Amino acid sequence: SQTIHQWPATLVQPVGSPLSLECTVEGTSNPNLYWYRQAAGRGLQLLFYSVGIGQISSEVPQNLSASRPQDRQFILSSKKLLLSDSGFYLCAWSVFLGTQYFGPGTRLLVL
Amino acid sequence: EDKVVQSPLSLVVHEGDTVTLNCSYEVTNFRSLLWYKQEKKAPTFLFMLTSSGIEKKSGRLSSILDKKELFSILNITATQTGDSAVYLCAVEGDTGNQFYFGTGTSLTVIP
Repeated sequence: SQTIHQWPATLVQPVGSPLSLECTVEGTSNPNLYWYRQAAGRGLQLLFYSVGIGQISSEVPQNLSASRPQDRQFILSSKKLLLSDSGFYLCAWSVFLGTQYFGPGTRLLVL
Repeated sequence: EDKVVQSPLSLVVHEGDTVTLNCSYEVTNFRSLLWYKQEKKAPTFLFMLTSSGIEKKSGRLSSILDKKELFSILNITATQTGDSAVYLCAVEGDTGNQFYFGTGTSLTVIP
């Protein structure tokens, strides 16, 4: 069966510091991968999605970036965090025209 | 612009009540509509709907899609306190790689 991992579970970072969140998927090949952010009391905002290694589509211009160095690995990064980057970051996977499944999420607090 | 709108935003009911959650959408090249339940963690998948008029059912939860009127409803009968959560609606559209989320309906079931 397929599983999706995210780490860390919780992160507290100072403003201006770098960020790296990692997501890995097991039990499937060539999945579509997604990064979402959910601010408190708000819906899911799609940040990036990837249909293959090295292929990244950005939905919202901001100071975040994503990379997919391996088929089942998706990384969300920032060089300098802003206060507004605080939120709940969710990684998800799907296969083409299939259901989307979410990882456990990372709670990021930027102070 | 593609969008998904959920209503109500928030709902408080007593145990045993029946609730109906609404999701309307305007998404280019609709492919499927998904319902998720989110407690204090990542969303968990409930239903995927692709065809109009066919009810999906799981225990006390059921959902149906109307592709002509562009909406879906999620019904929960005989609600329990464990049903308290945010219920998210998402629509898959366009290339089959993008999912558009509503802001969710927060359901609180009180004993």
